[in-house]
Amino acid sequence: QKEVEQNSGPLSVPEGAIASLNCTYSDRGSQSFFWYRQYSGKSPELIMSIYSNGDKEDGRFTAQLNKASQYVSLLIRDSQPSDSATYLCAVNKNTDKLIFGTGTRLQVFP
Amino acid sequence: DAGVIQSPRHEVTEMGQEVTLRCKPISGHDYLFWYRQTMMRGLELLIYFNNNVPIDDSGMPEDRFSAKMPNASFSTLKIQPSEPRDSAVYFCASSTTGLGSTDTQYFGPGTRLTVL
Repeated sequence: QKEVEQNSGPLSVPEGAIASLNCTYSDRGSQSFFWYRQYSGKSPELIMSIYSNGDKEDGRFTAQLNKASQYVSLLIRDSQPSDSATYLCAVNKNTDKLIFGTGTRLQVFP
Repeated sequence: DAGVIQSPRHEVTEMGQEVTLRCKPISGHDYLFWYRQTMMRGLELLIYFNNNVPIDDSGMPEDRFSAKMPNASFSTLKIQPSEPRDSAVYFCASSTTGLGSTDTQYFGPGTRLTVL
């Protein structure tokens, strides 16, 4: 079992819809959780971090964490074609390093 | 701030040759991370440094790989001898503190390595 699992996609949503990206992790000791966005041919960039159970909102993005079920999700409201990218989930077990999932490719079509 | 700088951006070499990748972290960042990204395995941490000292190299695939950080502004990742399976994008990243906090990890543009 991989430490961090994501559906590779692609996840296709129409412009203006809500995109829902999911991630599960295996280590219950995981403390902090991150979502990175990576455009094709570019480097990952951090878009959200979450540390406590519940929701955290930042503009059109909402991260959701459920430690009991060991999953973290990212919702993108009013999806735009510019949101088309690969979204990487990363988990930290209170060390100095992150464990990344393989990413979910999101396609937003006009 | 120029961000994390990596060189070269692209490297094509033949099997058996030595490859050296370079990274300059953001000034003031005391953590430096080397990652490798492939389609099959995703983004894997190879090694990271804190204050120029290697902390965890458990992700380094084998003895052909080595990394150094001689000072706070420069790090190298060396592959000798290179093999076709080393073909990947290699990212360097830096951060100001450990990742148990709210700190952000900044990635460089990456080096795309192709070993023929």
